Amino acid sequence: EVQLVESGGGLVQPGGSLRLSCSASGFTFSSYAMHWVRQAPGKRLEYVSGISGNGGSTYYADSVRGRFTISRDTSKNTLYLEMSSLRPVDTAMYYCVKDRRKVVVAPSDYWGQGNMVTVSS
Amino acid sequence: QAVVTQEPSLTVSPGGTVTLTCGSSTGTVTTGHYPSWFQQKPGQGPRTLIYDTSNKHSWTPARFSGSLLGGKAALTLSGAQPEDEAEYYCLISYSGGREVVFGGGTKLTVL
Repeated sequence: EVQLVESGGGLVQPGGSLRLSCSASGFTFSSYAMHWVRQAPGKRLEYVSGISGNGGSTYYADSVRGRFTISRDTSKNTLYLEMSSLRPVDTAMYYCVKDRRKVVVAPSDYWGQGNMVTVSS
Repeated sequence: QAVVTQEPSLTVSPGGTVTLTCGSSTGTVTTGHYPSWFQQKPGQGPRTLIYDTSNKHSWTPARFSGSLLGGKAALTLSGAQPEDEAEYYCLISYSGGREVVFGGGTKLTVL
């Protein structure tokens, strides 16, 4: 059974940093691209970032490029999202999502339960 | 950045049929955009219903189907049930995943 469990969220001040983790199980982690998608309270889904199965290709939304870094550790079956220079508009539920391919195509497979990040003073 | 558009809201009668659409500001949506559809019920996270235009997950009820229709991606619900009341989002992938954009969502009411 595929499971994606996010952790690391919480309350952080504007300008601060946070690292989200997504522990994956139930599939061969290195064989699939992974993504982060977020949803601000009461708002639409917003794509954040994606990484290929071997970690060699990464993509970012314009809104986070230069501030967020996606990475993965195959030995730990874990996906990460390092977030810095956080802004109140980054406040959202962050979801870890599995792709159906090794290359980055779309977050169109299993979703994690989400982890809340709140940026506020 | 591309803009993906969906109907803000639709209403369907129980047992009825409704089609939700997903358009792209860049033009015709094709299978090469790997359109996907997601269902989100209040207080829950999203789940994938349709991927790669028309493929269903193991948990996708048979009454849901995906297609391309009039230059857009489409999600058709045939035989709507009260439990289908939810927000539905579509997604378009551009340039092989270099840009991924969600639509604004369609709030579907079964009434």
